[in-house]
Amino acid sequence: EAGVAQSPRYKIIEKRQSVAFWCNPISGHATLYWYQQILGQGPKLLIQFQNNGVVDDSQLPKDRFSAERLKGVDSTLKIQPAKLEDSAVYLCASSFTGDTEAFFGQGTRLTVV
Amino acid sequence: AQSVTQLGSHVSVSEGALVLLRCNYSSSVPPYLFWYVQYPNQGLQLLLKYTSAATLVKGINGFEAEFKKSETSFHLTKPSAHMSDAAEYFCAVSGGIQGAQKLVFGQGTRLTINP
Repeated sequence: EAGVAQSPRYKIIEKRQSVAFWCNPISGHATLYWYQQILGQGPKLLIQFQNNGVVDDSQLPKDRFSAERLKGVDSTLKIQPAKLEDSAVYLCASSFTGDTEAFFGQGTRLTVV
Repeated sequence: AQSVTQLGSHVSVSEGALVLLRCNYSSSVPPYLFWYVQYPNQGLQLLLKYTSAATLVKGINGFEAEFKKSETSFHLTKPSAHMSDAAEYFCAVSGGIQGAQKLVFGQGTRLTINP
């Protein structure tokens, strides 16, 4: 079974530039999550989708971050404009509806300089 | 609301020794509890989970954890450490049936294995 796919794996941008990350969840998983993991910290939920609807985006900095999940499958997370403090690993995860286990992708490491 | 505290950001043990990684949680509803492992430049892999069944949970790679409600703890153990166990370990809590599946993670514990 294919896992959660994310791209790119690494990205370096200058502050005030924009960047987008892509995630393809495991087939059949209706729930999709984006987590931000700052170096030395545990992952923090940014947004949770159920199919193409948002369940929780309470910790998403909406002035600069946006996410969408058109057609309820793939998802993109965008940052515009990026700040130095956005340097982190962005993890995508997915799960079946109502399942307790989330499967994580390898993440995208973003460095803002 | 839920929160997790992992005691000790770094733990170092000798190969063959007991591994003990500590996790305490706070939850306003009956919790579901998880341990994940993260190897360098990799995503998170589930080691084990507690979902209100048996309080002693066995996971992959010889790890197990015991849910103790009275102590609000979910410590991770392995009887004999192996070099391949060196990684970052995260304890996480979710709100169980009521809390959907949002995971709240601890700060992580880096496990080092000495030869």
